[in-house]
Amino acid sequence: AQSVTQPDIHITVSEGASLELRCNYSYGATPYLFWYVQSPGQGLQLLLKYFSGDTLVQGIKGFEAEFKRSQSSFNLRKPSVHWSDAAEYFCAVGIISGSARQLTFGSGTQLTVLP
Amino acid sequence: GAVVSQHPSWVICKSGTSVKIECRSLDFQATTMFWYRQFPKQSLMLMATSNEGSKATYEQGVEKDKFLINHASLTLSTLTVTSAHPEDSSFYICSARGTGKNQPQHFGDGTRLSIL
Repeated sequence: AQSVTQPDIHITVSEGASLELRCNYSYGATPYLFWYVQSPGQGLQLLLKYFSGDTLVQGIKGFEAEFKRSQSSFNLRKPSVHWSDAAEYFCAVGIISGSARQLTFGSGTQLTVLP
Repeated sequence: GAVVSQHPSWVICKSGTSVKIECRSLDFQATTMFWYRQFPKQSLMLMATSNEGSKATYEQGVEKDKFLINHASLTLSTLTVTSAHPEDSSFYICSARGTGKNQPQHFGDGTRLSIL
């Protein structure tokens, strides 16, 4: 069965510092990988996705992620964090189940940004 | 584009009440919609997958008679929590996936359900 691990429950960075959120997945086939962000009391917003091709994926809000098959990782990065980036971040792997593509989510990483 | 509207955003009701939550894809057609449940400070747990015009597929451990899902059109799916009890209190989130290859899921803003 597929699984997603986000090793860091909570990360704190200073505004302007660089950020890397870790994500490791377990899946028998080529995965579809996603990063979502969730602000308190709201739904999820898609930051970026990887399906195939270039392993460095650019997303919205200045985020990028790199797919490394050898490490089964899909880490999210941002060169300079803004206070508005404080939120919960979820990594997800998409699988095909029957006729649907389902998502399995990691446990999330809470990002705190210090002024 | 790709906006998913979920309504209501917050519901407070008495135990024993049935509550309906709507999920609409506003600017695209969604052949597949998903319903998730999220407990405080936890990840999203998939409850069921619904395809337009067919019965929903429920995940193991989810009571289909308790959580009724209807996906009557390509833009609307509903989740009805029947005879809700305090243990059903949670944050429910829907998502919708458009037609075509490699379409991601787009999420609604969630519904906070509080059963007194």
